[in-house]
Amino acid sequence: SQQGEEDPQALSIQEGENATMNCSYKTSINNLQWYRQNSGRGLVHLILIRSNEREKHSGRLRVTLDTSKKSSSLLITASRAADTASYFCATEEGAQKLVFGQGTRLTINP
Amino acid sequence: GAVVSQHPSRVICKSGTSVKIECRSLDFQATTMFWYRQFPKQSLMLMATSNEGSKATYEQGVEKDKFLINHASLTLSTLTVTSAHPEDSSFYICSARQGEGYTFGSGTRLTVV
Repeated sequence: SQQGEEDPQALSIQEGENATMNCSYKTSINNLQWYRQNSGRGLVHLILIRSNEREKHSGRLRVTLDTSKKSSSLLITASRAADTASYFCATEEGAQKLVFGQGTRLTINP
Repeated sequence: GAVVSQHPSRVICKSGTSVKIECRSLDFQATTMFWYRQFPKQSLMLMATSNEGSKATYEQGVEKDKFLINHASLTLSTLTVTSAHPEDSSFYICSARQGEGYTFGSGTRLTVV
């Protein structure tokens, strides 16, 4: 079953702008992870934030987690054409399995 | 880093035939692997959890006799789609847990004609 929802479902911005994607979930989690998927390819792990963390950075990525609102956001700064992809949040439940959100299709226009 | 190799990347088969998809962990041992299915422009749906040396655990609504999973070694899990039909056409992806994160195969595009 799907854990939650992401918004927006699709986002199109100009190269150089920042992109923000949001994810909501429903149950208690161990951690929340963000993945990128290029069209027709497998998933690439971007960043993991634990349930006791509120913010995490990795290069141009910034992830926040609000467990009281059961939500997370992924910010990509200074976007590049190569960032065009689908982005998924996923939560790890107690059974050590990932449950994915619906995803955001991000398009960076040159 | 951890690599999961998935083969084939694409397969076209006739309706009624069976197709086997392999997922290998190349530089680590994976006692557990996960199989997902993804329809176009949709998210990944977990189908089953593959456990080395024991039976797979299937998610609700997934037919275990339709999607046979074998995890005979610590580095190999296979998914066999039996008696495939056009509605089984989809993108299948495997993954394995490595540390806190998960590593995914590159996926298999199955088309049943």
